[in-house]
Amino acid sequence: RKEVEQDPGPFNVPEGATVAFNCTYSNSASQSFFWYRQDCRKEPKLLMSVYSSGNEDGRFTAQLNRASQYISLLIRDSKLSDSATYLCVVNMNTNAGKSTFGDGTTLTVKP
Amino acid sequence: DTEVTQTPKHLVMGMTNKKSLKCEQHMGHRAMYWYKQKAKKPPELMFVYSYEKLSINESVPSRFSPECPNSSLLNLHLHALQPEDSALYLCASSQDPAGRGNEQFFGPGTRLTVL
Repeated sequence: RKEVEQDPGPFNVPEGATVAFNCTYSNSASQSFFWYRQDCRKEPKLLMSVYSSGNEDGRFTAQLNRASQYISLLIRDSKLSDSATYLCVVNMNTNAGKSTFGDGTTLTVKP
Repeated sequence: DTEVTQTPKHLVMGMTNKKSLKCEQHMGHRAMYWYKQKAKKPPELMFVYSYEKLSINESVPSRFSPECPNSSLLNLHLHALQPEDSALYLCASSQDPAGRGNEQFFGPGTRLTVL
């Protein structure tokens, strides 16, 4: 089993739709959780950090469920510009600093 | 200054060449990272420097040699690479390798082609 698993996708949705991605992690000692977005041939960019019970930033809401060991990302009112690959990243907050990436979920928003 | 810069943007090299990739950040971050990313795959960690000391080497072949001259700079020296080493090489930094400040910020990457 992979340490971090994401919905395989791809997700193809119309503009204005609401879409949700899930990510599960296997190590219960994990402490920090992040969502990154990566556009084609570009670097990953931090979308949201997910702490405690989750947080919201505009159309984006991230939730953390420690008991079930998953995080989710909800995108409301999808825009064409939301088309990207979304990466779930988990960190154990050890001194070593290793983060574990999920394989990513590709979202395409269509007009 | 909230960015990580990388040079060069593109690099084409032969298998006998020696080249270096450079990365710089001026955010006062104390952890810096090298990742390798192949098409349609997530970034794959290669090295982590924490407070200018190498803290993680993910069993990377010795033809890749990292160097951290100071807290703002990170280099990756390349020698005798193979065509399968062609990839996007990403540098990242974070405030601290552990704790709440460990959001990583990525540079734009160097797209490397080995002929």
